[in-house]
Amino acid sequence: GQNIDQPTEMTATEGAIVQINCTYQTSGFNGLFWYQQHAGEAPTFLSYNVLDGLEEKGRFSSFLSRSKGYSYLLLKELQMKDSASYLCAVRDLADYKLSFGAGTTVTVRA
Amino acid sequence: EAQVTQNPRYLITVTGKKLTVTCSQNMNHEYMSWYRQDPGLGLRQIYYSMNVEVTDKGDVPEGYKVSRKEKRNFPLILESPSPNQTSLYFCASSQTGRMVGYTFGSGTRLTVV
Repeated sequence: GQNIDQPTEMTATEGAIVQINCTYQTSGFNGLFWYQQHAGEAPTFLSYNVLDGLEEKGRFSSFLSRSKGYSYLLLKELQMKDSASYLCAVRDLADYKLSFGAGTTVTVRA
Repeated sequence: EAQVTQNPRYLITVTGKKLTVTCSQNMNHEYMSWYRQDPGLGLRQIYYSMNVEVTDKGDVPEGYKVSRKEKRNFPLILESPSPNQTSLYFCASSQTGRMVGYTFGSGTRLTVV
């Protein structure tokens, strides 16, 4: 099974940087995913890591350390539209299942 | 447009009245799954299907049924809904054999009174 932890809430100022941490314990690891979800809407895919290191995608970057069971999502140059919930998810090796953390609600203030 | 289509978007029903939430994808994905999302608990998997006629339980399958008679469709059935099944439901699909994420449907907000 999976155990995935991430902070419940974070607040940051427009233009700033925010880092959302995610730790996980898993019996079979096949990748870590980050999703963005606005209230009442479907999650949308942001990034994934399967190997250790940093993946950069525009204003968003994601980092993975498999030995530490740790990932973070870095949001740079924050905009008001980035106010949303960010979900960390781990994919299982055996059955393609994505197990999700409870999500981190990020509030961007002017 | 590649998408996962769920219907209905909103549903209010009474305890015990059977209902079906439909899910259809047009991407020829093998893998399909249902999740429910509740405050503070995140997304929890109900059932999943690796391919046609192959379904299996997720983490919270009690009170739900699914079927996968065709590749594109994966309906969620509540035979006798109860108030604790009030939730936001998402259908998702994915290719297998590749490192790709899920594509989610728009969600169904179900209220059981």
